[in-house]
Amino acid sequence: AQSVAQPEDQVNVAEGNPLTVKCTYSVSGNPYLFWYVQYPNRGLQFLLKYITGDNLVKGSYGFEAEFNKSQTSFHLKKPSALVSDSALYFCAVSGDNQGGKLIFGQGTELSVKP
Amino acid sequence: DTGVSQDPRHKITKRGQNVTFRCDPISEHNRLYWYRQTLGQGPEFLTYFQNEAQLEKSRLLSDRFSAERPKGSFSTLEIQRTEQGDSAMYLCASTEGAGNYGYTFGSGTRLTVV
Repeated sequence: AQSVAQPEDQVNVAEGNPLTVKCTYSVSGNPYLFWYVQYPNRGLQFLLKYITGDNLVKGSYGFEAEFNKSQTSFHLKKPSALVSDSALYFCAVSGDNQGGKLIFGQGTELSVKP
Repeated sequence: DTGVSQDPRHKITKRGQNVTFRCDPISEHNRLYWYRQTLGQGPEFLTYFQNEAQLEKSRLLSDRFSAERPKGSFSTLEIQRTEQGDSAMYLCASTEGAGNYGYTFGSGTRLTVV
């Protein structure tokens, strides 16, 4: 069965510092990995995805993520955090023959303080 | 076409009443997904359509829930005899192709059952 774990409920970072939001996954076959961000009372906004190819994926708003097959991880990173990055971040996975159905992690609340 | 639209944004209903939500996907997208998100959790898959065909339903979708996509365009999600446990954000998303390349979410419908 597919699953996603986001081990940190909350991540606190000072503005200008690098940030990492962790994600590990379990899936049969090839993983299709995604990061979404959610602002209060809004839907989810797509940040980036890994389907195949280069393990370092660059996405929207300066975010990037590194796919690590041996550690089954897909951590989200940004070199320099902004206060406006404060939001809820979700990692999600799909697999082969899943019809594009996503399994989401519990979410990590990112708080960036000035 | 500016994205995925969901209506209404908020719905408050009394326990036992029926409610219906509407989702208008991006016009060229053949796949449409419904997810439910409760407070503090990641979205959970409910069902999805390819064109007008409903291809999969989650076990979360009890017999009180029904979804349609009659002409392969907009979709409706109906909940009959609502219960307090149905209170959640209901999210719709759409995509092209097989769905493994990520999708665009709507802003969601927040249901409160009192």
